[in-house]
Amino acid sequence: QQQVKQSPQSLIVQKGGISIINCAYENTAFDYFPWYQQFPGKGPALLIAIRPDVSEKKEGRFTISFNKSAKQFSLHIMDSQPGDSATYFCAASPPWDTDKLIFGTGTRLQVFP
Amino acid sequence: NAGVTQTPKFQVLKTGQSMTLQCAQDMNHEYMSWYRQDPGMGLRLIHYSVGAGITDQGEVPNGYNVSRSTTEDFPLRLLSAAPSQTSVYFCASSSGLAGGKLSYEQYFGPGTRLTVT
Repeated sequence: QQQVKQSPQSLIVQKGGISIINCAYENTAFDYFPWYQQFPGKGPALLIAIRPDVSEKKEGRFTISFNKSAKQFSLHIMDSQPGDSATYFCAASPPWDTDKLIFGTGTRLQVFP
Repeated sequence: NAGVTQTPKFQVLKTGQSMTLQCAQDMNHEYMSWYRQDPGMGLRLIHYSVGAGITDQGEVPNGYNVSRSTTEDFPLRLLSAAPSQTSVYFCASSSGLAGGKLSYEQYFGPGTRLTVT
C-alpha cells in the first residue's frame, strides 16, 4: 500500500520553465511534508519542507503548495535550470515519529537548455 | 565534519553470504535510520534508532539486523543475502531535539550499492 503517491514519474522541462511535481497522501495524521533532492550517485538532501499549518512555503525558486482538505502537496520549481536536473522525492511522517519518513516513488526531472 | 559516512561503496555477495554495512556520523545525532532504494519504489525504511541501545523496525525489516552500541555508529547486518536484497542502501541521521529546537532534517550518506547473485 503506497501511502504517499507521487507523479509524474519523469518530467522534461525547458530551461526557464516551471517544473511541477505532485504528491498525495492517505494518512491524515501526517503533519510533516519534506521534499528531498537526489543527484546521481549521491544520497538525498533536504530541499524544502512544510507543516500543515500553512498552505504555501517558498525558498528561492522552490515553492511547496499544500492542500490539507485534498491531502495533496506539490513542489514548484520556477525558472528551472539544467542544474536542477535530479530526482525529487516527496515524503511524509506523523508527529510522533518524524524520523519514520514515508517516501513517494520519485520524479526524475530533466531540464534542457 | 564528515557528516554521514558509509562503507563499502559497492559490494557483490553470493546468495547465502552475510555481511555488515557500516554507517557512522560525527554530528552527535540521536536518530539514525537505514533505507533501501529500489527503482520505481522510492526509499523504504528498514530499521531506525532513536538513541544508543534503542532500535526499532521500519517498513521492510525482514532479513536485516541492526544494533546501536554508540551514538556514532549504526551498522546494518544482512544475515543470509538473497537476490531480493539487491539494492542501494542509505544511512541517515537527524538531530531530533538539539539545542532546544526540533530539527526533522535527515542527513543521508552517499549509499552502498549491493548486488546479490
